[in-house]
Amino acid sequence: EIVLTQSPGTLSLSPGERATLSCRASQSVGSRFLAWYQQKPGQAPSLLIYGTSTRATGIPDRFSGSGAGTDFTLTISRLEPEDFAVYFCQQYSGSLPWTFGQGTKVEIK
Amino acid sequence: QVQLQESGPGLVKPSETLSLNCSVSGGSINNYYLNWIRQSPGKRLEWIGYVFYTGTTHYNPSFESRVTISVDTSRNQFSLNLKSVTAADTAVYYCARASLNPEVRYFDVWGRGSLVTVSS
Repeated sequence: EIVLTQSPGTLSLSPGERATLSCRASQSVGSRFLAWYQQKPGQAPSLLIYGTSTRATGIPDRFSGSGAGTDFTLTISRLEPEDFAVYFCQQYSGSLPWTFGQGTKVEIK
Repeated sequence: QVQLQESGPGLVKPSETLSLNCSVSGGSINNYYLNWIRQSPGKRLEWIGYVFYTGTTHYNPSFESRVTISVDTSRNQFSLNLKSVTAADTAVYYCARASLNPEVRYFDVWGRGSLVTVSS
C-alpha cells in the first residue's frame, strides 16, 4: 500500500498569503496519478487538481499543483476567505488500494 | 449533471451488518468504477472498494474479509455491505465515481455522505 504523508498538519495563514502544502508518497506514484481535494466542514471532498497539475473544471488559477515520483505540492498563491478548508492528496496509480493523505488544515491566522 | 446520493440506517449495532445504497441520477453507471470511501471522525479518508457495472469488484485488503459491494443496473444504484461492525466502523460513508481511464481515475463525483454510528 502506498502511504501518503501530508505536511504540515495545520497551516495558519492570513487572507492574501501564499499556502504551500506537501504530500509525500512512500513509493513512486508516477507523475500523473496524484489528485488534490478540498473539504469544507460538513461537506464531501471536492476535486481541485488531478494529474498532479491539472485544475478541475471551475477551479481558479490561484490553485496549482506540481511534483512527480514521491513528492508533490499544492500551492494556493493568494488565499481567499473561501479557501480555508482541509486539503487531501490522493494517489490513483495502478497500485491498489487507492490511498489518501491524512489532510492539511488551512486555517485563518 | 450526475449526482450520487447515499441512503441507509444511521445507527447500527455492534456485530451487525452495515448496509448503504448509492443512487445515481443524471447519468448512467456504466463505464465507471463505483466506489465506497469512508472518513472516520478526525481520520483520513479510506477507500473501501469499487464495483463495475458488470459486477466485478475490487476491495481494499483492510476490508476484504467483511465487505461486499454490489450493483443494480436496473435501478442505477450500487450498495455497500460491511459485516461484523464495531465502534471503529463509525464514520461518514461516501459513494463516489471514478473513470475507467487510468489516466483520469480520480474521484470526480461524490455523494454528500452518510453518517453511520455503531453503537448498542
